Amino acid sequence: SQTIHQWPATLVQPVGSPLSLECTVEGTSNPNLYWYRQAAGRGLQLLFYSVGIGQISSEVPQNLSASRPQDRQFILSSKKLLLSDSGFYLCAWKLGGVSEQYFGPGTRLTVT
Amino acid sequence: GESVGLHLPTLSVQEGDNSIINCAYSNSASDYFIWYKQESGKGPQFIIDIRSNMDKRQGQRVTVLLNKTVKHLSLQIAATQPGDSAVYFCAESRRGGSNYKLTFGKGTLLTVNP
Repeated sequence: SQTIHQWPATLVQPVGSPLSLECTVEGTSNPNLYWYRQAAGRGLQLLFYSVGIGQISSEVPQNLSASRPQDRQFILSSKKLLLSDSGFYLCAWKLGGVSEQYFGPGTRLTVT
Repeated sequence: GESVGLHLPTLSVQEGDNSIINCAYSNSASDYFIWYKQESGKGPQFIIDIRSNMDKRQGQRVTVLLNKTVKHLSLQIAATQPGDSAVYFCAESRRGGSNYKLTFGKGTLLTVNP
Protein backbone atom coordinates (compact mmCIF):
# COMPACT_ATOMS: atom_id res chain seq x y z
CA SER A 1 0.00 0.00 0.00
CA GLN A 2 1.01 3.59 -0.53
CA THR A 3 2.20 5.81 2.29
CA ILE A 4 3.28 9.41 2.41
CA HIS A 5 5.71 10.85 4.91
CA GLN A 6 6.49 14.41 5.89
CA TRP A 7 9.13 15.77 8.22
CA PRO A 8 9.62 17.41 10.46
CA ALA A 9 6.22 17.26 12.15
CA THR A 10 6.71 20.62 13.82
CA LEU A 11 9.22 23.40 13.28
CA VAL A 12 9.88 26.76 14.91
CA GLN A 13 12.14 29.04 12.90
CA PRO A 14 13.16 32.72 13.25
CA VAL A 15 12.33 35.26 10.60
CA GLY A 16 14.99 35.35 7.90
CA SER A 17 16.14 31.77 8.42
CA PRO A 18 16.06 29.15 5.64
CA LEU A 19 13.51 26.37 5.36
CA SER A 20 13.51 22.85 4.00
CA LEU A 21 10.50 20.56 4.34
CA GLU A 22 10.59 17.10 2.87
CA CYS A 23 7.90 14.80 1.59
CA THR A 24 8.35 11.25 0.34
CA VAL A 25 5.87 8.76 -1.05
CA GLU A 26 6.24 4.98 -0.89
CA GLY A 27 4.50 2.24 -2.79
CA THR A 28 3.80 4.01 -6.05
CA SER A 29 5.63 5.30 -9.09
CA ASN A 30 5.44 8.58 -10.99
CA PRO A 31 2.89 10.23 -8.71
CA ASN A 32 1.72 13.81 -9.08
CA LEU A 33 2.91 15.65 -5.99
CA TYR A 34 1.50 18.75 -4.31
CA TRP A 35 2.38 21.23 -1.58
CA TYR A 36 -0.43 23.04 0.21
CA ARG A 37 -0.47 25.56 3.02
CA GLN A 38 -3.30 25.81 5.51
CA ALA A 39 -3.69 28.85 7.75
CA ALA A 40 -5.40 28.33 11.11
CA GLY A 41 -9.13 27.70 10.66
CA ARG A 42 -8.89 28.01 6.90
CA GLY A 43 -8.97 25.90 3.80
CA LEU A 44 -6.02 24.62 1.83
CA GLN A 45 -4.09 26.80 -0.58
CA LEU A 46 -2.19 25.06 -3.36
CA LEU A 47 1.42 26.26 -3.51
CA PHE A 48 3.18 23.94 -5.96
CA TYR A 49 2.55 20.80 -7.92
CA SER A 50 4.76 18.46 -9.90
CA VAL A 51 3.88 15.88 -12.54
CA GLY A 52 7.42 14.51 -12.82
CA ILE A 53 11.06 14.79 -11.78
CA GLY A 54 12.29 18.35 -12.16
CA GLN A 55 8.85 19.59 -13.25
CA ILE A 56 7.46 22.21 -10.87
CA SER A 57 4.46 24.46 -11.31
CA SER A 58 3.90 27.38 -8.97
CA GLU A 59 0.40 28.47 -8.13
CA VAL A 60 1.05 31.46 -5.90
CA PRO A 61 3.91 33.98 -6.10
CA GLN A 62 5.83 33.93 -2.83
CA ASN A 63 9.24 33.49 -1.30
CA LEU A 64 8.89 29.70 -1.30
CA SER A 65 10.24 27.27 -3.88
CA ALA A 66 9.83 23.57 -4.53
CA SER A 67 12.00 20.88 -6.04
CA ARG A 68 11.56 17.27 -7.04
CA PRO A 69 15.00 15.67 -7.16
CA GLN A 70 13.62 12.11 -7.23
CA ASP A 71 10.41 10.51 -8.44
CA ARG A 72 8.89 10.18 -4.96
CA GLN A 73 10.53 13.09 -3.19
CA PHE A 74 9.18 16.60 -3.01
CA ILE A 75 10.92 19.42 -1.14
CA LEU A 76 9.61 22.82 -0.09
CA SER A 77 12.23 25.48 0.56
CA SER A 78 12.77 29.09 1.41
CA LYS A 79 15.93 31.16 1.62
CA LYS A 80 14.49 33.64 4.12
CA LEU A 81 11.32 32.96 6.06
CA LEU A 82 8.69 35.63 6.71
CA LEU A 83 6.22 35.76 9.59
CA SER A 84 3.45 35.20 7.08
CA ASP A 85 4.98 31.81 6.16
CA SER A 86 3.67 30.33 9.40
CA GLY A 87 1.08 27.64 8.84
CA PHE A 88 0.36 23.97 8.38
CA TYR A 89 2.12 22.60 5.31
CA LEU A 90 0.66 19.56 3.66
CA CYS A 91 2.09 17.35 0.95
CA ALA A 92 -0.23 15.27 -1.18
CA TRP A 93 0.07 12.71 -3.97
CA LYS A 94 -2.18 11.27 -6.62
CA LEU A 95 -1.89 9.06 -9.63
CA GLY A 96 -2.42 10.57 -13.03
CA GLY A 97 -5.92 10.38 -14.45
CA VAL A 98 -7.77 10.16 -11.13
CA SER A 99 -9.13 12.98 -9.03
CA GLU A 100 -8.50 12.12 -5.41
CA GLN A 101 -5.36 13.28 -3.66
CA TYR A 102 -3.97 11.65 -0.55
CA PHE A 103 -2.42 13.83 2.09
CA GLY A 104 0.52 13.43 4.40
CA PRO A 105 0.43 14.17 8.14
CA GLY A 106 1.62 17.77 7.67
CA THR A 107 4.30 20.02 9.14
CA ARG A 108 3.35 22.75 11.58
CA LEU A 109 5.66 25.71 10.89
CA THR A 110 5.85 28.67 13.26
CA VAL A 111 7.98 31.62 12.23
CA THR A 112 8.94 33.83 15.18
CA GLY B 1 -14.11 34.06 -9.97
CA GLU B 2 -13.84 30.40 -9.18
CA SER B 3 -14.75 29.43 -5.67
CA VAL B 4 -16.02 26.61 -3.55
CA GLY B 5 -17.80 27.83 -0.45
CA LEU B 6 -19.73 26.41 2.46
CA HIS B 7 -23.10 27.50 3.81
CA LEU B 8 -22.33 26.92 7.49
CA PRO B 9 -19.00 27.12 9.26
CA THR B 10 -20.10 24.92 12.21
CA LEU B 11 -22.55 22.10 12.75
CA SER B 12 -23.41 20.45 16.05
CA VAL B 13 -25.36 17.19 16.17
CA GLN B 14 -26.28 14.52 18.68
CA GLU B 15 -24.69 11.12 18.47
CA GLY B 16 -26.82 8.82 16.36
CA ASP B 17 -28.43 11.61 14.37
CA ASN B 18 -27.81 12.15 10.68
CA SER B 19 -25.56 15.05 9.63
CA ILE B 20 -25.79 17.08 6.46
CA ILE B 21 -22.93 19.32 5.41
CA ASN B 22 -23.52 21.64 2.49
CA CYS B 23 -21.27 23.22 -0.09
CA ALA B 24 -21.86 25.66 -2.95
CA TYR B 25 -19.61 25.89 -5.97
CA SER B 26 -19.39 28.34 -8.82
CA ASN B 27 -17.35 26.62 -11.53
CA SER B 28 -19.47 24.50 -13.84
CA ALA B 29 -16.36 23.04 -15.52
CA SER B 30 -15.36 20.88 -12.55
CA ASP B 31 -14.87 17.18 -13.34
CA TYR B 32 -15.20 15.83 -9.81
CA PHE B 33 -16.27 16.98 -6.40
CA ILE B 34 -14.56 15.53 -3.38
CA TRP B 35 -15.19 15.51 0.34
CA TYR B 36 -12.34 15.40 2.82
CA LYS B 37 -12.34 14.97 6.59
CA GLN B 38 -9.63 16.65 8.63
CA GLU B 39 -9.11 15.88 12.28
CA SER B 40 -7.23 18.35 14.43
CA GLY B 41 -3.51 18.44 13.66
CA LYS B 42 -3.75 15.88 10.86
CA GLY B 43 -3.81 15.94 7.10
CA PRO B 44 -7.14 15.74 5.26
CA GLN B 45 -8.52 12.28 4.67
CA PHE B 46 -10.37 11.39 1.48
CA ILE B 47 -13.98 10.40 2.16
CA ILE B 48 -15.82 10.17 -1.13
CA ASP B 49 -15.97 11.79 -4.52
CA ILE B 50 -18.58 12.19 -7.21
CA ARG B 51 -18.20 12.75 -10.90
CA SER B 52 -19.85 15.83 -12.33
CA ASN B 53 -22.19 13.67 -14.46
CA MET B 54 -23.66 11.93 -11.40
CA ASP B 55 -26.33 13.07 -8.94
CA LYS B 56 -25.70 10.74 -6.04
CA ARG B 57 -23.05 8.43 -4.72
CA GLN B 58 -23.08 6.32 -1.59
CA GLY B 59 -20.29 5.03 0.56
CA GLN B 60 -20.11 3.50 3.98
CA ARG B 61 -22.47 5.65 6.12
CA VAL B 62 -21.94 8.59 3.75
CA THR B 63 -23.86 9.86 0.77
CA VAL B 64 -22.91 12.71 -1.50
CA LEU B 65 -25.55 14.54 -3.50
CA LEU B 66 -24.79 16.83 -6.40
CA ASN B 67 -27.31 19.34 -7.72
CA LYS B 68 -25.83 20.91 -10.81
CA THR B 69 -28.83 23.12 -11.42
CA VAL B 70 -28.16 25.16 -8.29
CA LYS B 71 -24.46 24.25 -8.05
CA HIS B 72 -24.85 22.63 -4.69
CA LEU B 73 -23.09 19.68 -3.09
CA SER B 74 -23.91 17.94 0.17
CA LEU B 75 -22.42 15.25 2.36
CA GLN B 76 -24.78 13.19 4.45
CA ILE B 77 -23.41 11.15 7.34
CA ALA B 78 -25.74 8.53 8.76
CA ALA B 79 -25.81 7.68 12.47
CA THR B 80 -23.15 10.24 13.31
CA GLN B 81 -20.57 9.05 15.81
CA PRO B 82 -18.16 10.97 18.06
CA GLY B 83 -15.33 9.87 15.78
CA ASP B 84 -16.95 11.85 12.98
CA SER B 85 -16.11 15.11 14.76
CA ALA B 86 -13.76 16.96 12.44
CA VAL B 87 -13.60 19.70 9.83
CA TYR B 88 -15.11 18.67 6.52
CA PHE B 89 -13.95 20.24 3.28
CA CYS B 90 -15.50 20.06 -0.11
CA ALA B 91 -13.19 20.46 -3.08
CA GLU B 92 -13.70 20.73 -6.79
CA SER B 93 -11.35 19.01 -9.16
CA ARG B 94 -10.65 20.27 -12.64
CA ARG B 95 -8.34 18.73 -15.16
CA GLY B 96 -5.56 20.78 -16.65
CA GLY B 97 -3.46 18.70 -19.02
CA SER B 98 -2.32 15.56 -17.19
CA ASN B 99 -3.02 17.05 -13.79
CA TYR B 100 -6.14 17.45 -11.70
CA LYS B 101 -6.10 20.53 -9.51
CA LEU B 102 -8.19 20.84 -6.39
CA THR B 103 -9.82 24.01 -5.13
CA PHE B 104 -10.91 23.72 -1.51
CA GLY B 105 -13.69 25.41 0.37
CA LYS B 106 -13.16 26.87 3.83
CA GLY B 107 -14.48 23.89 5.79
CA THR B 108 -17.31 23.05 8.19
CA LEU B 109 -16.56 22.04 11.76
CA LEU B 110 -18.76 19.10 12.76
CA THR B 111 -19.15 18.50 16.49
CA VAL B 112 -20.88 15.34 17.65
CA ASN B 113 -22.34 15.51 21.15
CA PRO B 114 -22.57 12.24 23.11
